[in-house]
Amino acid sequence: NAGVTQTPKFRVLKTGQSMTLLCAQDMNHEYMYWYRQDPGMGLRLIHYSVGEGTTAKGEVPDGYNVSRLKKQNFLLGLESAAPSQTSVYFCASSSLAGGGEQYFGPGTRLTVT
Amino acid sequence: GQSLEQPSEVTAVEGAIVQINCTYQTSGFYGLSWYQQHDGGAPTFLSYNALDGLEETGRFSSFLSRSDSYGYLLLQELQMKDSASYFCAGQGGANNLFFGTGTRLTVIP
Repeated sequence: NAGVTQTPKFRVLKTGQSMTLLCAQDMNHEYMYWYRQDPGMGLRLIHYSVGEGTTAKGEVPDGYNVSRLKKQNFLLGLESAAPSQTSVYFCASSSLAGGGEQYFGPGTRLTVT
Repeated sequence: GQSLEQPSEVTAVEGAIVQINCTYQTSGFYGLSWYQQHDGGAPTFLSYNALDGLEETGRFSSFLSRSDSYGYLLLQELQMKDSASYFCAGQGGANNLFFGTGTRLTVIP
């Protein structure tokens, strides 16, 4: 039981490049989330999904797209990376009866130059 | 949306008790969660309050007052390993969480 895993762990992009971050969970959770965390700030919700085939916008969705083709996977895409997207990205999942409890992956540290 | 405020830093002595406060302004609030995050690590869940009152889990307790839009996390018998950042988070629909900016706790000998 690996919980929530994320790939890659680190990535450096040049402005304008694209990439996809992969999140996988093996807990059969319905809900999945993508957050970004910047220094001195809490986590901010980018997009989330309440089930396979569904996605919704969070607080800071601009510049990102997501897909949830399989229940266990949640992909975050950056179509044209900008320096403002330099951040640590966390994926999380929770059950339907989550009660405020989310399980987080180890994070992806992304730098855009 | 939701807005949550908590102190940026707290320092406490090993073995002591520390309280981290969180005030919130929100619409669509279901409950208040607390998370711990060590430097370079991922947030880990500590506790959750859906109803007013105190929830206790070992050395950690959390309190919520909906009428005051206020909650706190209480850490007892502090240990050096408790040095970390602590986040309060308001729960919205779809179990979405809106995080505060975090309180950095430093435990000193």
